[in-house]
Amino acid sequence: AQSVTQPDIHITVSEGASLELRCNYSYGATPYLFWYVQSPGQGLQLLLKYFSGDTLVQGIKGFEAEFKRSQSSFNLRKPSVHWSDAAEYFCAVGGQTGANNLFFGTGTRLTVIP
Amino acid sequence: GAGVSQSPSNKVTEKGKDVELRCDPISGHTALYWYRQSLGQGLEFLIYFQGNSAPDKSGLPSDRFSAERTGGSVSTLTIQRTQQEDSAVYLCASSLGKGSYNSPLHFGNGTRLTVT
Repeated sequence: AQSVTQPDIHITVSEGASLELRCNYSYGATPYLFWYVQSPGQGLQLLLKYFSGDTLVQGIKGFEAEFKRSQSSFNLRKPSVHWSDAAEYFCAVGGQTGANNLFFGTGTRLTVIP
Repeated sequence: GAGVSQSPSNKVTEKGKDVELRCDPISGHTALYWYRQSLGQGLEFLIYFQGNSAPDKSGLPSDRFSAERTGGSVSTLTIQRTQQEDSAVYLCASSLGKGSYNSPLHFGNGTRLTVT
C-alpha cells in the first residue's frame, strides 16, 4: 500500500540556517514524488516534483529535494532559510499512470526564528 | 487566472445537521479531488472525479459523505448528519487530469468545518 511518512511534526530553525525536511515513502512501483507547501491562510502550492532522471530536483523558492531509492526517501532541503519559509510542508507520492490520486504525509510545520 | 475557489471559507454547524461544501475548479481542469485535513493529520483523500468517468469514491469515510460534480465543473461535497469528528478543513483540488506528474494539483484555500 502507498504511504508517506514525515517523521518530524515540527521543526524550528534560525533564519539563514540550512534546512532538511525528511520524507520516506512506500509505493509498489516507481513513484512520482512531490513536495507541497501550505502557508498560513493559503492553499497548498507545489514546490517541486520528481519523476525520473536526475535524483536531485530543483524547485521554486530555492528548495531542492533528493530522491534516494535505496532509502525510499525524498528529503527537502534549502541552504538558507528565510522568515517567509515558515509554513507547513507536505510530501506526497503518486502513481505514474492511471492512479491520479496523491497520498500525502502528515506534514512538517516549520518555524523560523530571527 | 482564477484559481480553485471554495465556499464557504468557514462553516460552523450543529451536530446532526447536513452541510454542503462547494468547489469551483480551474477552468479547463477535468480532474477534481476532495481531501480532508484534520488537526495533526495529513491530507486524507476522499473522492476523485475525472471527466465523465465514474468517480473514485474509495476515500469517503462513511455513507454520510457524498459528492457530485455537475457539468464537469463545479463540485459539491455533502455531509449528512454531521458528527464532531467531521470537523476538519476540506480541501478541493483540480488538475488537467493527464497523470499526476504532468498535471500537478492546484488546491483551493479550503473550507474549515466545525461541528459543535
